[in-house]
Amino acid sequence: GDSVTQKQGQVTLSEDDFLFINCTYSTTTYPTLFWYVQYPGQGPQLLLKVTTANNKGISRGFEATYDKGTTSFHLQKASVQESDSAVYFCALGVGDNSKLIWGLGTSLVVNP
Amino acid sequence: GGIITQTPKFLIGQEGQKLTLKCQQNFNHDTMYWYRQDSGKGLRLIYYSITENDLQKGDLSEGYDASREKKSSFSLTVTSAQKNEMAVFLCASSIGLGGPYEQYFGPGTRLTVL
Repeated sequence: GDSVTQKQGQVTLSEDDFLFINCTYSTTTYPTLFWYVQYPGQGPQLLLKVTTANNKGISRGFEATYDKGTTSFHLQKASVQESDSAVYFCALGVGDNSKLIWGLGTSLVVNP
Repeated sequence: GGIITQTPKFLIGQEGQKLTLKCQQNFNHDTMYWYRQDSGKGLRLIYYSITENDLQKGDLSEGYDASREKKSSFSLTVTSAQKNEMAVFLCASSIGLGGPYEQYFGPGTRLTVL
């Protein structure tokens, strides 16, 4: 069946460090890939959406890249700030299905 | 823009109690969702409703009921609260059929069962 794997449970960085969070997916149909960010006390909000048509998304200094060969999509940021501390989720949409398949989330802690 | 409102924000119940959570959206979206989020875990889908008169079970529907009263509102009932249960219930909405589309989330209802 369709699945997504997000292995990094927690990432701790210092300000100005490089961020890289990876997700891998499995599906037999065409994927749409999402990155969401959740701040404390709030619901998740969309950070980036990547499709097979565009392969890459950029928003708020974050970049998401999709690699069909390795069935992975990763989130990166060149220089993190303390305000980026949050939980980041990857999610997989397949075909024209209304449901998303969610990763377990990566808690990012950025120390000043 | 739009907003998703969830009530109540905090819910404290007793073991065995029936508890109802409510969600309203003004995006005019067709599809609505209920998720459960446990501390340090991902989002698990409980129920979703593709259109106003539709109801679909998610992966975690046992122990819950849902009702789509109208296009803008979607309720979730915990049929029998479990002792020491603590979780956040998140409501979301998206445009509708022909997805997958971005889901917009409410702030959540935090449940504690004594």
